[in-house]
This record gives sequence, C-alpha cells and structure tokens, in this order.
Amino acid sequence: EAQVTQNPRYLITVTGKKLTVTCSQNMNHEYMSWYRQDPGLGLRQIYYSMNVEVTDKGDVPEGYKVSRKEKRNFPLILESPSPNQTSLYFCASSRKRAGTEAFFGQGTRLTVV
Amino acid sequence: AQSVTQPDIHITVSEGASLELRCNYSYGATPYLFWYVQSPGQGLQLLLKYFSGDTLVQGIKGFEAEFKRSQSSFNLRKPSVHWSDAAEYFCAVGDYNNNDMRFGAGTRLTVKP
Repeated sequence: EAQVTQNPRYLITVTGKKLTVTCSQNMNHEYMSWYRQDPGLGLRQIYYSMNVEVTDKGDVPEGYKVSRKEKRNFPLILESPSPNQTSLYFCASSRKRAGTEAFFGQGTRLTVV
Repeated sequence: AQSVTQPDIHITVSEGASLELRCNYSYGATPYLFWYVQSPGQGLQLLLKYFSGDTLVQGIKGFEAEFKRSQSSFNLRKPSVHWSDAAEYFCAVGDYNNNDMRFGAGTRLTVKP
C-alpha cells in the first residue's frame, strides 16, 4: 500500500530539548516536503527536497533542519524547540513538486512547553 | 508569486443540502489545481485535480469542481452533503513552470443533522 509514515503521531516536549520527527515513503518519490498547519494559516511549507542530498527552504524554515540521505526518508529536526513551534506537522511526498498528487502522512501533533 | 484564497474559513450546511466551497487563485498561466480533504486526525487526501481539458472534473466521494478561467476560480461542489463529509478542505495550486505548489488556508465544513 502506498503510504507516507510519520512518527511519532503525538509528542510533548520541553523548550530546548532536541527532537526528530521521522518521515518515510514507499512510493519511490523524488520530492518530499514538510508542512506545519496552524489555525487560520493553512499549510505552510517548512523545507522541501527535490531528491537525495538536495534540500531547500520553504516559507517558514527558521528553527528547523532536514536531511535527505536516502530517497525514502526525510526527517525533520528541531535542534532547540520553542513554544512557537507547537503545531501540527505533515510530511508529504510526490513524483514532482508541482503538477502531481501529493501523498501526506497522518500528521504529528507537537506541543512544546 | 502565485497565491490561493479560500474566502470561507468555516461553513455549516445541513445534511442533504448542496455544498459549494470557493477557491480563487492568482496566477498568470493555467495552473494545476487540486482539492484535498483532511478528516479529523488524518492527513490530507486528494479529492480531485484539474490539469487541462474538460473544465468540470469529477472526484471521489461524489465531489466535483469547475475551473473558470475568467474568474480564476476552482470551486468545489457536492449536490447532497453527508455527515461524513465534515472535514477541512484545502485548495492547492501548482505552478509547473516555476515548480511551486501553494495551499489555501482551508475551509472547515460542519454538517448539521
């Protein structure tokens, strides 16, 4: 079954404690991205990756890091989380950035206290 | 830069009533257009897409959307809403030439019994 898997689904952490949210896809997609969803703001792109070892900033990259060492995995790293990073995060993959269907993970609800 | 506007943050309809969710975009050429649905606690799922051809497109779950170039709109419709349609709906626009993808802020649909 084609899917994008994110872990964990829920996470509560404290300010400054490094964390990683994993994302894996089984569709051999070249393009992967991370979004955050906040009420009234819709989906805002954090980072994206066009292919292995190729990553670029989206609209709201501050405070986040990513890596793309393998085609299937695209982890999101928060080196020093802050309360304003409390949000719902989605990983997505697609064959290309534009013009093709994006497949989304189920989301990670992050709370930073 | 392209943009996507969903004018209605929240819409409430009665079960069995018709539904229309609005989406307007700003883009010079013909964009790739998508509607996604996000059920509670889930990721986004593609409802339908428009790339070219017939401007009325059919999607899953009985939804359809019509591309109107003159109005820069891609409104989503359903003739008779079911309680299970309660969800958040996102319009998205893909710019193939600039390899960009933008999501609207979303419209939350509540269905009254």
